[in-house]
Amino acid sequence: QQQVKQSPQSLIVQKGGISIINCAYENTAFDYFPWYQQFPGKGPALLIAIRPDVSEKKEGRFTISFNKSAKQFSLHIMDSQPGDSATYFCAASKGSNYKLTFGKGTLLTVNP
Amino acid sequence: GAVVSQHPSWVICKSGTSVKIECRSLDFQATTMFWYRQFPKQSLMLMATSNEGSKATYEQGVEKDKFLINHASLTLSTLTVTSAHPEDSSFYICSARDHLLAGRTDTQYFGPGTRLTVL
Repeated sequence: QQQVKQSPQSLIVQKGGISIINCAYENTAFDYFPWYQQFPGKGPALLIAIRPDVSEKKEGRFTISFNKSAKQFSLHIMDSQPGDSATYFCAASKGSNYKLTFGKGTLLTVNP
Repeated sequence: GAVVSQHPSWVICKSGTSVKIECRSLDFQATTMFWYRQFPKQSLMLMATSNEGSKATYEQGVEKDKFLINHASLTLSTLTVTSAHPEDSSFYICSARDHLLAGRTDTQYFGPGTRLTVL
């Protein structure tokens, strides 16, 4: 059972455009939703994270939108740059468990 | 701050041998570390949760006798792949939670990963 579903699998965006990646979860006990960026051959790096009591969080060019009733959350990358080309993973965890369940990832390509 | 290192970054070994991978939190203490496995172009799959001073907790389907985990200190966890076979070839990544921030943040800091190739 895939607890966190991520889409699209791949995304191509022009420089300066907006990249949008979506995730949906099934377990209502999840209470922490981070997004990670991973470059080839490297470990994931935390981009931004949100909790269910907030509907939106913005850090620089990165924004998380959270819809608790729909059990969905999304990552928006504004003014996308070629350096943003990477694989992005959404994840979720619950309570003091802290175990992360990852989505399958989205390969983002930003064309110059 | 919040740097996690792994050693080695890559290793090639013969089938049947054992390989040890180290995960260190360099500037913070971690009572809990996690080990993940990632196959090419796939997501991260949690293998086990490593707790300092106690036995690791393994995810369903992960052989604890094959993937030995030791968390002997607040800054070091090791994963030993015993009797490695070609199907164990993968990218192994660890993560750690800051002990002092444990009650205030869920942030996990990931290591750079270790590429294991079993011939």
